[in-house]
Amino acid sequence: AQSVTQLDSQVPVFEEAPVELRCNYSSSVSVYLFWYVQYPNQGLQLLLKYLSGSTLVKGINGFEAEFNKSQTSFHLRKPSVHISDTAEYFCAVSLNNAGNMLTFGGGTRLMVKP
Amino acid sequence: EAQVTQNPRYLITVTGKKLTVTCSQNMNHEYMSWYRQDPGLGLRQIYYSMNVEVTDKGDVPEGYKVSRKEKRNFPLILESPSPNQTSLYFCASSYWGDRAAEEQFFGPGTRLTVL
Repeated sequence: AQSVTQLDSQVPVFEEAPVELRCNYSSSVSVYLFWYVQYPNQGLQLLLKYLSGSTLVKGINGFEAEFNKSQTSFHLRKPSVHISDTAEYFCAVSLNNAGNMLTFGGGTRLMVKP
Repeated sequence: EAQVTQNPRYLITVTGKKLTVTCSQNMNHEYMSWYRQDPGLGLRQIYYSMNVEVTDKGDVPEGYKVSRKEKRNFPLILESPSPNQTSLYFCASSYWGDRAAEEQFFGPGTRLTVL
C-alpha cells in the first residue's frame, strides 16, 4: 500500500517570499502524484498533477512541483506568494492503474503574512 | 456549471440518531467517493463507487453505509452515529477507466457534529 508524508503541518511565510511545501511518498509501484488546495470553508481544488513525462509540472496560480523518483518526493513550490495563497495544501498519490484511488497526506497549512 | 453538491452543509445530531448526507454530481462521472477530513490526518476514504450498483470499502468504512442507485447520487448513511464520527465530510467524483487520472471534483463539505 502507498502512503504520503507531508513533513510540515504549518508553514508561515511573508508575502512575496518563496515557499516550498514538502511531500514524500512510499510505494512499491509507479504512482500518479497530485497537489490539491483547500481554501477556508471550501472543498479541495486540483493545483497540479504528475502522470508521466517531464518531472517539472506547472499548475494554477503560479505553483509548480518537481517529481523526484530517487527521493520519492513531489515538493510544491512558488517563487513569490500572495496573501490569497493562504490555505491548506494536500499532497496525494494514486497507483497508476487506479488514478481515482487517492491516498492523501496530512496536509500543510500555508500562512502568508503581510 | 459542473459541480458536486452536498447537503446539509452543517449538521449537529445526537448519538444513535440515523442520518443521511446527500451527494449529487452533474458531470456524468462514473466514480464517486466519500472522504472524511480530520486534523493532521488529511482525507481518508470511507467508501467509493465505480458505477451504479457498484460500491466498495475505502480505508475507514466502519459505521457508514452507501448506496448508488443512480449515477448522479451517492448518499452517505450513518445508521447509528457516534461522537468519533464528528468530522468534515467530502464527496468527490471523477471519470473512471481511461480517464481515471483526471481531476477529482470535490463538494463543499459537510461538517458533522455528533453529541
